Amino acid sequence: DAKTTQPPSMDCAEGRAANLPCNHSTISGNEYVYWYRQIHSQGPQYIIHGLKNNETNEMASLIITEDRKSSTLILPHATLRDTAVYYCIVRAYDYNTDKLIFGTGTRLQVFP
Amino acid sequence: ETGVTQTPRHLVMGMTNKKSLKCEQHLGHNAMYWYKQSAKKPLELMFVYNFKEQTENNSVPSRFSPECPNSSHLFLHLHTLQPEDSALYLCASSQEKRGGFDRANTEAFFGQGTRLTVV
Repeated sequence: DAKTTQPPSMDCAEGRAANLPCNHSTISGNEYVYWYRQIHSQGPQYIIHGLKNNETNEMASLIITEDRKSSTLILPHATLRDTAVYYCIVRAYDYNTDKLIFGTGTRLQVFP
Repeated sequence: ETGVTQTPRHLVMGMTNKKSLKCEQHLGHNAMYWYKQSAKKPLELMFVYNFKEQTENNSVPSRFSPECPNSSHLFLHLHTLQPEDSALYLCASSQEKRGGFDRANTEAFFGQGTRLTVV
């Protein structure tokens, strides 16, 4: 079972920041937070990941709360091409338990 | 282009047919995965191969048979499928390190999938 909880859907105006929340209250100390997105009928695309520090790359920023029980993915200037399902995943680095398990994600709709 | 190529992109097969899905990665990765995505459902992990050895079989029916001849290629052999097996089948790869603190610090790259229809 997925260890994360995300809202099923969100809307965002083009050009505005999209803030996608994720709850992972049972996260363990050895688990990273990963974000992927899936544009309709394509393979999932890696966005970003982090352990406890905030992270930023050319696609997005990841804000992880100090207790690590929740995080927020930020797309600073959403475009229509960012319309997709966004998955928040926790993933351990223990070899025997490492799995990339997807939940139902958040369907982000960016509108003009 | 993610460096993971799946063929064919679309496949229609009868329930008595035998077909194979192919996945090839050009990233030098040592772990490969098969996922199934049915309509309006989350991705389901089917099989995991690490260093060419199957390390995960997520209770997948025997009519799905994976094969990993080398670290760059992964196949999914299909036989006597059912209409409910119609789905998007996705392959992924990643670089897994055995041991070490940063074991999970490897993102997975996905192919574009094979859209399978069983008639």
